[in-house]
Amino acid sequence: GEDVEQSLFLSVREGDSSVINCTYTDSSSTYLYWYKQEPGAGLQLLTYIFSNMDMKQDQRLTVLLNKKDKHLSLRIADTQTGDSAIYFCAETPAGNNRKLIWGLGTSLAVNP
Amino acid sequence: NAGVTQTPKFRVLKTGQSMTLLCAQDMNHEYMYWYRQDPGMGLRLIHYSVGEGTTAKGEVPDGYNVSRLKKQNFLLGLESAAPSQTSVYFCASNGGAYNEQFFGPGTRLTVL
Repeated sequence: GEDVEQSLFLSVREGDSSVINCTYTDSSSTYLYWYKQEPGAGLQLLTYIFSNMDMKQDQRLTVLLNKKDKHLSLRIADTQTGDSAIYFCAETPAGNNRKLIWGLGTSLAVNP
Repeated sequence: NAGVTQTPKFRVLKTGQSMTLLCAQDMNHEYMYWYRQDPGMGLRLIHYSVGEGTTAKGEVPDGYNVSRLKKQNFLLGLESAAPSQTSVYFCASNGGAYNEQFFGPGTRLTVL
């Protein structure tokens, strides 16, 4: 069945780059997403990438998509303490009724 | 726009008690969802709705009921609460141009 996998934890030093990885199984995915959840809050859309794109850049965020390997990554440049959060990868398979398939989330800890 | 709102924010129930969680969205979205979030288990879909008057089961529907009498509201009911239903509940709606979901702030429920 459809599945999205991501590592559970990542720890980086403030100022370094963070790379959060995700793999998915549905090759017909149309959109893939990164959501951010800060402590005690709901999820917020961080960025998305359409399946016919390889890369998307938005300020400090870079999303890379390798469709052949079904691999998605999120790079955060110059990571700050405010970036400490849980990051969820999600996909929307083609032809579904708008249900997203979610990863378990990667908890990013930024150390000063 | 308030986006997606949830009430209450916190609730403590005793085993066997019932309650209703309310979700409201002011974005005129057709699709709405109820998720639960538990440590190490990511987001799990409880029920969802593809429009006013419709509901459908998600991954973990047992012990919950839902109603969508008005397009803007999606209610989640627990008829007889159990300790296993202790969780953080999130409501979301979908109507974005990129199929993205918008989340409420969550309800933290404890069942004793």
